[in-house]
Amino acid sequence: DAGITQSPRHKVTETGTPVTLRCHQTENHRYMYWYRQDPGHGLRLIHYSYGVKDTDKGEVSDGYSVSRSKTEDFLLTLESATSSQTSVYFCAIKTGPNTEAFFGQGTRLTVV
Amino acid sequence: RKEVEQDPGPFNVPEGATVAFNCTYSNSASQSFFWYRQDCRKEPKLLMSVYSSGNEDGRFTAQLNRASQYISLLIRDSKLSDSATYLCAVNPLFSGGYNKLIFGAGTRLAVHP
Repeated sequence: DAGITQSPRHKVTETGTPVTLRCHQTENHRYMYWYRQDPGHGLRLIHYSYGVKDTDKGEVSDGYSVSRSKTEDFLLTLESATSSQTSVYFCAIKTGPNTEAFFGQGTRLTVV
Repeated sequence: RKEVEQDPGPFNVPEGATVAFNCTYSNSASQSFFWYRQDCRKEPKLLMSVYSSGNEDGRFTAQLNRASQYISLLIRDSKLSDSATYLCAVNPLFSGGYNKLIFGAGTRLAVHP
């Protein structure tokens, strides 16, 4: 158990509303990641962080922003949710730059 | 071209069969490689790391071919419980040294009696 908690686990929201997903870790790891997973696309990297206030964009970052003000929390925000952002979102942590990743249980987001 | 590519399958095999998955990657400076298993509606879980010399864990064997830029996973004596999606993952090296773990789209395996 890598001590990763995602919240909420399920959410239904309306188009145009802001949504924030939270990833919390208990192990003080430096590297944190947000992925989305859709049929036919696998896991695609949205944003990642390599320390407090250090974040960068992944391959599908449009429409998403992130913040990391504490080591243990990495927040993903959809400023104005769209139906195309309906997906399963996974948070992951890595213990080092070249190591494997450990995943949270995922958040299933539906935008109606 | 995608950074990491996998055959999506599905692979439908009988119990006891041997099945192999391949995964190609485009960044020749990639540093580390992994295979993950994902069950339906669950998070991916690490199956095994892939080392340059190849490595084995029970019925599972992983290999890396740097010259051709692919990794492989071999499953021997397939069990019903092996039915899942198998994802390969690669840590490509980018400028600045910050590695991102990039995943293939996954290969679905269905083992039948």
